[in-house]
Amino acid sequence: AIQMTQSPSSLSASVGDRVTITCRASQGIRNDLGWYQQKPGKAPKLLIYAASSLQSGVPSRFSGSGSGTDFTLTISSLQPEDLATYYCLQEYNYPRTFGPGTKVDIK
Amino acid sequence: QVRLQQWGAGLLKPSETLSLTCAVYGGSFSGYYWSWIRQPPGRGLEWIGEITHSGSTDYNPSLKSRVTISVDTSKNQFSLKLTSVTAADTALYYCARMVRILRFLEWRSYGMDVWGLGTTVTVSS
Repeated sequence: AIQMTQSPSSLSASVGDRVTITCRASQGIRNDLGWYQQKPGKAPKLLIYAASSLQSGVPSRFSGSGSGTDFTLTISSLQPEDLATYYCLQEYNYPRTFGPGTKVDIK
Repeated sequence: QVRLQQWGAGLLKPSETLSLTCAVYGGSFSGYYWSWIRQPPGRGLEWIGEITHSGSTDYNPSLKSRVTISVDTSKNQFSLKLTSVTAADTALYYCARMVRILRFLEWRSYGMDVWGLGTTVTVSS
């Protein structure tokens, strides 16, 4: 199975800050990666698909990049409502595997 | 707007069978992967498996011997069964829709874009 790692595991940033989360795959996965946001007590929500495509309805401050083994989720200007845990998911092969998550707190 | 409604027994004893169903409202049932994901308390997400409308399945090898996902296209529903549950199966279980598109003769996945609200399943004697 492809192993997904994320860094950092948690971060605390101020409103307006630029936030970057990294996801790394144990082998190449083309651009078959999605990013999900999970707010406390809620189901995950798709933010980015195919590594860099913004899901409909998602604010443009979210962006994704990367291909192969290294991927990045960027929040260009952190907002209070972005308090959540963020997960990457590889969709390249089976079993599909999630990263362990990055918890984002607001200072 | 597509909506997933899920239900099933929330409290099980060890060795019993977990059974959950997810109904799809407001959209097509064909052309997608229909997935189950779980999240143990305070932990991350684990993919359980998925099925297409035609009944083709893929499972997580860690659960494969105990998992069955089935589909009822007449009702636009898909179901999860997990046998011989233990306390380790205690989790919040989600159903979700994954977009798939045929590109250059290959099915590619484009994210789980619709999720159910989740069903809490507790295994306790």
